[in-house]
Amino acid sequence: GAVVSQHPSRVICKSGTSVKIECRSLDFQATTMFWYRQFPKQSLMLMATSNEGSKATYEQGVEKDKFLINHASLTLSTLTVTSAHPEDSSFYICSANSPASVAETQYFGPGTRLLVL
Amino acid sequence: AQSVAQPEDQVNVAEGNPLTVKCTYSVSGNPYLFWYVQYPNRGLQFLLKYITGDNLVKGSYGFEAEFNKSQTSFHLKKPSALVSDSALYFCAVYNFNKFYFGSGTKLNVKP
Repeated sequence: GAVVSQHPSRVICKSGTSVKIECRSLDFQATTMFWYRQFPKQSLMLMATSNEGSKATYEQGVEKDKFLINHASLTLSTLTVTSAHPEDSSFYICSANSPASVAETQYFGPGTRLLVL
Repeated sequence: AQSVAQPEDQVNVAEGNPLTVKCTYSVSGNPYLFWYVQYPNRGLQFLLKYITGDNLVKGSYGFEAEFNKSQTSFHLKKPSALVSDSALYFCAVYNFNKFYFGSGTKLNVKP
């Protein structure tokens, strides 16, 4: 089946620094990737839809300048948390859809645990 | 607006007993309904989905779910629980090219 990877799996950073998280589709090309955020004991909240070659579409309440998304190629989307603060600490998960599958078939990455000190 | 409700934060069941994890939904149009499982510090793994057809859907690891349109429910079931089934389970609706997830239910299967 299709595989989606994320890097890093875990990152600890100081408050005020920026952190980049990568999401890669390993064996398929993904024109659309999705970024989710998950707080402890809570559900996944869709942050934005990342479209290859165009600007990301952000969900209501998500700061575009805070969470920069770049989808520069068909296999890579990046999420950069700029000037991170402790409240940004969370589990970030990406997903992608394989063009060979129907649109509702999403492949999820293993997630990235971000801890901001 | 699309929404998914999982009324139970946690479900406890003894190994070998049947289990049910509840899910109700509210969507516009015909829903695509999903169940995912998440193990600690891992991404979501697909269990099963309902698009159309038979209301009883069979999925991975012996799980099944029943779509009930009148009750707008999509409960996850398994006839005989295993300790290894202990995990976090999410119900989700796919609509307008987006997923909407429930709050999750932690399943504890005790030996």
